[in-house]
Amino acid sequence: GAVVSQHPSWVICKSGTSVKIECRSLDFQATTMFWYRQFPKQSLMLMATSNEGSKATYEQGVEKDKFLINHASLTLSTLTVTSAHPEDSSFYICSAPGHLNSPLHFGNGTRLTVT
Amino acid sequence: DQQVKQNSPSLSVQEGRISILNCDYTNSMFDYFLWYKKYPAEGPTFLISISSIKDKNEDGRFTVFLNKSAKHLSLHIVPSQPGDSAVYFCAAQGGGADGLTFGKGTHLIIQP
Repeated sequence: GAVVSQHPSWVICKSGTSVKIECRSLDFQATTMFWYRQFPKQSLMLMATSNEGSKATYEQGVEKDKFLINHASLTLSTLTVTSAHPEDSSFYICSAPGHLNSPLHFGNGTRLTVT
Repeated sequence: DQQVKQNSPSLSVQEGRISILNCDYTNSMFDYFLWYKKYPAEGPTFLISISSIKDKNEDGRFTVFLNKSAKHLSLHIVPSQPGDSAVYFCAAQGGGADGLTFGKGTHLIIQP
């Protein structure tokens, strides 16, 4: 069964509004979670590393003020797309490492459409 | 600059035959490689992985081969089944970073 739960699976919002995406690790604690973004026919691009209890680490070119990440607990990380614009429309996926030496587990992703 | 490359955007294979998906990387610090399978509108599902200390790892119908000198890995699926139709992503990890670096994916189509 799924080990990483992501919600919502899809969302449509208007330009200028903010959207929050939740990522939960099920049955295990994750001090670190990763947020990826995928454009059509493109690879998954790492946006940021979410660290429980501390600031997220953003990849080069990712606006930290636009993509707010909060890792408030060992099982929950949230990504908030602030003041969304149509170019933010994309597929956002979170992931978390499971037990030691296990591969990253991915959520089912969130399809964001900004109109 | 893409550090993980999958040069074939798509691949069509007849059911029952072998599917071979290729992946090249440029970063010599990568020491762990993974293959993920992805259906539309879903997150990637882990398939198989290989550490840089090995050159082959097998799991059922799936085998991954690693050629470190050529910085090349491949995923073999045999026999190919209709349910194998999906996008396959090659990913690499290492150099002190925990996040994965992904290739662009190869869309595998299994034809009956």
